Amino acid sequence: AQSVTQLGSHVSVSEGALVLLRCNYSSSVPPYLFWYVQYPNQGLQLLLKYTTGATLVKGINGFEAEFKKSETSFHLTKPSAHMSDAAEYFCAVRGSARQLTFGSGTQLTVLP
Amino acid sequence: DAGVIQSPRHEVTEMGQEVTLRCKPISGHNSLFWYRQTMMRGLELLIYFNNNVPIDDSGMPEDRFSAKMPNASFSTLKIQPSEPRDSAVYFCASSFGQGGTEAFFGQGTRLTVV
Repeated sequence: AQSVTQLGSHVSVSEGALVLLRCNYSSSVPPYLFWYVQYPNQGLQLLLKYTTGATLVKGINGFEAEFKKSETSFHLTKPSAHMSDAAEYFCAVRGSARQLTFGSGTQLTVLP
Repeated sequence: DAGVIQSPRHEVTEMGQEVTLRCKPISGHNSLFWYRQTMMRGLELLIYFNNNVPIDDSGMPEDRFSAKMPNASFSTLKIQPSEPRDSAVYFCASSFGQGGTEAFFGQGTRLTVV
């Protein structure tokens, strides 16, 4: 079975500041990990994913995430926040089953 | 490809009425998922199909909910009778293969039951 915990349901950062959204997972098998973004009244869009290989994964819009097996973490970062990054972000895990298990989401607010 | 297409985008219905949500997955994808999103419970998997066959419907909340996938290009989620607590955004997603392949989401159907 898989599960995901996202620490912090709301995160606020100033424009230009570092963005750090936290995700910890639990999986009984080597996991596949995903970050999705959801803008208001939209569906979920894939930001990046970790499957195998390099543990630092780069995604769209300048986001990246690092898979740390020892910490069971997959935190999402961006060096410099932009106003357009304001959205809800979801971490998800897929184990042996086909379906994704999502975290509860983190609402990112970017302050001018 | 146009992506995953859901219809309608918005649905307002009265309690007790039947509601049918529709989904057209991305051509060539062999897995289809129905999720429900609410403020209280977040994103919940309701049911998923593989090669048109329901694999896991343990997330379907009650017998009022049913889902079908008559062919590879179409799926429906039906609620009969609908209740106010069914109000949510319902997402359909599709994917191909296993492992590290991601799911592609539709725009969702916002259901309001009054």
